[in-house]
Amino acid sequence: GQQLNQSPQSMFIQEGEDVSMNCTSSSIFNTWLWYKQDPGEGPVLLIALYKAGELTSNGRLTAQFGITRKDSFLNISASIPSDVGIYFCAGQRSLTQGGSEKLVFGKGTKLTVNP
Amino acid sequence: GAGVSQTPSNKVTEKGKYVELRCDPISGHTALYWYRQSLGQGPEFLIYFQGTGAADDSGLPNDRFFAVRPEGSVSTLKIQRTERGDSAVYLCASSRGMRNEQFFGPGTRLTVL
Repeated sequence: GQQLNQSPQSMFIQEGEDVSMNCTSSSIFNTWLWYKQDPGEGPVLLIALYKAGELTSNGRLTAQFGITRKDSFLNISASIPSDVGIYFCAGQRSLTQGGSEKLVFGKGTKLTVNP
Repeated sequence: GAGVSQTPSNKVTEKGKYVELRCDPISGHTALYWYRQSLGQGPEFLIYFQGTGAADDSGLPNDRFFAVRPEGSVSTLKIQRTERGDSAVYLCASSRGMRNEQFFGPGTRLTVL
C-alpha cells in the first residue's frame, strides 16, 4: 500500500541535542499528523496540522505543514532519554479530493538518545 | 476506560484457523478504524466505520478479511482461513470524526504458525 517518504530512517543523538525529521509525498494532503510509538504499544498522537504553512508546537516539539501540502517536518528540541521511540508522520486527504478519512503513514524514524 | 482498548493483546493461531479481534473505541467517538502494522513498517489502513456502516473498506487485502460494528461502538475484525502472511500487529483507532485526530489502541499481535 501507499506510504509516505519519511527520513531519516534512524537517528542516534546525544541527550540535549535537537532533532529534525521530515516527511514528503508526491500527492497533496490536507491534514498532517505526527505520532510516537513505543515498543509493544500503539501510536500516540503528538501534533496535528490542518493548514498549509501552519507551525504548531507541543512542549519541546514543533511541527510544520509544508506550503505545497506535500511535506511536513517535526523538530524536537533539547532531547531527553524518554524521547526514544519511533516517530511516524501520517497524512490524510479530504473526501473532496478523492480521499477518505483514512491515514497514510510513513515508515517511521527510529530515534535513539544516548544519555 | 479512557482510551481505545483491544482484545486479545496477543493471539497465536494455526494456519487455516479463524480469528476474531475486538476493538472498544473511546466513548462518544463515531469513527473507528482498523490498521495493520508489519515489522519495521508504518500502519497500513484496512477499513473504517462511520457509525455502523463501513465507509471505506478499500484496504482489506482480500475476502478472507471482514469487519463489523453492529451497534456503532465495539468493532470486530474477522479473519478466515488465516495464512502466515497475516501475522502482524492489528491496530484500532477511533476519532470524533471532525478533525480526524485518530487515537490508537495498543494493538493485537497476531501470529499465524
